[in-house]
Amino acid sequence: SAVISQKPSRDICQRGTSLTIQCQVDSQVTMMFWYRQQPGQSLTLIATANQGSEATYESGFVIDKFPISRPNLTFSTLTVSNMSPEDSSIYLCSVGGGIMNTEAFFGQGTRLTVV
Amino acid sequence: GENVEQHPSTLSVQEGDSAVIKCTYSDSASNYFPWYKQELGKRPQLIIDIRSNVGEKKDQRIAVTLNKTAKHFSLHITETQPEDSAVYFCAASIRSGGSYIPTFGRGTSLIVHP
Repeated sequence: SAVISQKPSRDICQRGTSLTIQCQVDSQVTMMFWYRQQPGQSLTLIATANQGSEATYESGFVIDKFPISRPNLTFSTLTVSNMSPEDSSIYLCSVGGGIMNTEAFFGQGTRLTVV
Repeated sequence: GENVEQHPSTLSVQEGDSAVIKCTYSDSASNYFPWYKQELGKRPQLIIDIRSNVGEKKDQRIAVTLNKTAKHFSLHITETQPEDSAVYFCAASIRSGGSYIPTFGRGTSLIVHP
């Protein structure tokens, strides 16, 4: 299993500003995932972050809007840039899948409100 | 890429009844099918999973069945209780560059009425 600490748990931000979300895992993992979950909706994959390489973004998500860092095998950050009210959502980091195709573990999520 | 369809989006049952949630997937190479439960305001957590070499798996009141030929899998909850009320997500994994990436269904909101 994996224990994931994610922070902040929630924030209220002004439009046009940026917020960086941090995710710390208690073990070394190759792949980390960032998801967005809008109210009542499913988990939409934003990007996959591998240590030592650029993140891979899903259709509809771009690096300029959601820059990701992955400095080592236990840590990653997601930045939501130049925020607008449409970015209000829950953001979750996750580990799992990988070579062994294991279950996913999630951080507790960051509830972002943009005003 | 993988596409996971999940039905129904909402399921309302009386306490003690059974609940069934169904998912289909598109990529025949997928071989791992987990189910997650997400209670309000909390993170999703695994409740049961099945791999493609098994057709059925049971854990107390929860069971999962898999039909690889038809590419569908289902979650069965028997003797439902109010605490089973939550959103349930199915998932299948796509293979990408030697690793697996989970793809989630849209979720089913299960409401168990006491």
